[in-house]
Amino acid sequence: AQTVTQSQPEMSVQEAETVTLSCTYDTSESDYYLFWYKQPPSRQMILVIRQEAYKQQNATENRFSVNFQKAAKSFSLKISDSQLGDAAMYFCAYRGGGSRLTFGEGTQLTVNP
Amino acid sequence: DTGVSQDPRHKITKRGQNVTFRCDPISEHNRLYWYRQTLGQGPEFLTYFQNEAQLEKSRLLSDRFSAERPKGSFSTLEIQRTEQGDSAMYLCASSLLTGEGRGELFFGEGSRLTVL
Repeated sequence: AQTVTQSQPEMSVQEAETVTLSCTYDTSESDYYLFWYKQPPSRQMILVIRQEAYKQQNATENRFSVNFQKAAKSFSLKISDSQLGDAAMYFCAYRGGGSRLTFGEGTQLTVNP
Repeated sequence: DTGVSQDPRHKITKRGQNVTFRCDPISEHNRLYWYRQTLGQGPEFLTYFQNEAQLEKSRLLSDRFSAERPKGSFSTLEIQRTEQGDSAMYLCASSLLTGEGRGELFFGEGSRLTVL
């Protein structure tokens, strides 16, 4: 079974600084998708960024980018120029050949003004 | 279409009662998922539908839980004889089966269940 591990339960960053959230996963599949989801307090989960495993180029969405290391099974999220609105729980997730999305335990990000 | 909607947003019930949650997915989405999330944890997969067919169920989905998607549109999740351990946020999500953006799940705001 696939597993997703986020080893940082909590992270904090100063406004306008950069922070990196870590994620590792375990799979025997070669074709899969990886995602970072953001869940603000009492609000719905929204997609931040996605990465297809067959693509070597790291995905980027505005201030959000990933460092995808397929051989190491690592998928970290970098948030540049952090904003107060970035404060949330961030979940790394994996989707392989099946349809279910498997989530990590989450990283609570605090942005300090 | 404004996204995935769930009802009710919060349900408080006494142990032993039955509860039902409803999810209305994004209209063109073929797949519908149910997840359970407890405080401070990541969502755990319960089950998913492709159109009206329930294709996968997690071992977390005990026989007290039943989910339906009768016409391939909205879905219901019923919990019978609720237990305090059922207290959680129940999340619904939907996705496209094919095309660009397939695999991305769009989540509703969740239905929070409190069992007293």
